[in-house]
Amino acid sequence: GIQVEQSPPDLILQEGANSTLRCNFSDSVNNLQWFHQNPWGQLINLFYIPSGTKQNGRLSATTVATERYSLLYISSSQTTDSGVYFCAVSTGANSKLTFGKGITLSVRP
Amino acid sequence: GAVVSQHPSRVICKSGTSVKIECRSLDFQATTMFWYRQFPKQSLMLMATSNEGSKATYEQGVEKDKFLINHASLTLSTLTVTSAHPEDSSFYICSATEGGRNYGYTFGSGTRLTVV
Repeated sequence: GIQVEQSPPDLILQEGANSTLRCNFSDSVNNLQWFHQNPWGQLINLFYIPSGTKQNGRLSATTVATERYSLLYISSSQTTDSGVYFCAVSTGANSKLTFGKGITLSVRP
Repeated sequence: GAVVSQHPSRVICKSGTSVKIECRSLDFQATTMFWYRQFPKQSLMLMATSNEGSKATYEQGVEKDKFLINHASLTLSTLTVTSAHPEDSSFYICSATEGGRNYGYTFGSGTRLTVV
């Protein structure tokens, strides 16, 4: 099956700093999503981005489908950005999402 | 946007008993729902794909007789953990997609199961 690798596994930032989270995948995908899992376990959908670039406030994401990677940018980080960020992909309509191992982000005040 | 409701959010049960978890799509119909399990500090692992009106498809290594899935309507899928044991303690989370719309999959808020 498809492989999803996220890097770095852990990231510690000072409040106000910027960061880039990476997701590599091993095959063509028709769906790629970035999620933020909060301390209560809720998965918050940040972006649906199988290709192209999107921005939402301080967050933006870019997926280069031909090169099989996606980047999540966090600017002016805040302590509330702390948590685990997952990249997940699927390869067909209504097919399962395969998750990466996640990136644990800690933003210190 | 699409909303998926999952209940209960937290349950504690005795070893040997069964627990049912519900997953509902509130504002859309979902012919397919997915059930995931997440152990502490690990990623989400797909357990099974729930198909409305037909049998669920289980991932390799997941006991279908232990984790019963029923998808009786286009808005409801249930996961029943039968004869639960402490090793079944985990975070269970469901997801669904509306299909044609371009925003991907929506996840429920998850159920934290503790078997004592």
